[in-house]
Amino acid sequence: AQKITQTQPGMFVQEKEAVTLDCTYDTSDQSYGLFWYKQPSSGEMIFLIYQGSYDEQNATEGRYSLNFQKARKSANLVISASQLGDSAMYFCAMRNTGNQFYFGTGTSLTVIP
Amino acid sequence: NAGVTQTPKFQVLKTGQSMTLQCAQDMNHEYMSWYRQDPGMGLRLIHYSVGAGITDQGEVPNGYNVSRSTTEDFPLRLLSAAPSQTSVYFCASSHPGLAYEQYFGPGTRLTVT
Repeated sequence: AQKITQTQPGMFVQEKEAVTLDCTYDTSDQSYGLFWYKQPSSGEMIFLIYQGSYDEQNATEGRYSLNFQKARKSANLVISASQLGDSAMYFCAMRNTGNQFYFGTGTSLTVIP
Repeated sequence: NAGVTQTPKFQVLKTGQSMTLQCAQDMNHEYMSWYRQDPGMGLRLIHYSVGAGITDQGEVPNGYNVSRSTTEDFPLRLLSAAPSQTSVYFCASSHPGLAYEQYFGPGTRLTVT
């Protein structure tokens, strides 16, 4: 069974601080892709960052980085220098070799001025 | 490019009625998928397609049908609506392959009374 677990239903962070959103996954596939998406209150899904299972370096995209620990099956999202516009739901997702995507239940992030 | 479009944006159905949610993309993506999003449950895969003429079931396919006669279109049919199908439905598309993120449509909010 394939599964994504996000254990933090809600998180708060002070503006300009860094925050880590946790994600663990469970798969028996050797090849897979890991993704993070942002969903603001307006409802659209916005792609943030991707990590491949064979990538040796952690992915980075601007203020977003993915802390990938393959042995622990974790793919945590780190947002540096939080901004008010970062307040949103964040979803971790995995794409397997069968082309199925699995999403976690999400973490609601609130940035406090 | 319009990206991924979905119609309608909102729909109210009575129990037992049928309807089709439309999804189209203009990015020549082979992969398309349908999700439902319920509070506290993240996004769950209903059906997906890796190309015209090919469809497969996801995690929660019961009560839904799909077909893929063209690369651009991937309609989702509710055969006999039930209150349990009240949800927000997202269509998404991408190139096949683990490294490709999905592009999401704006969603359809469906209420079944």
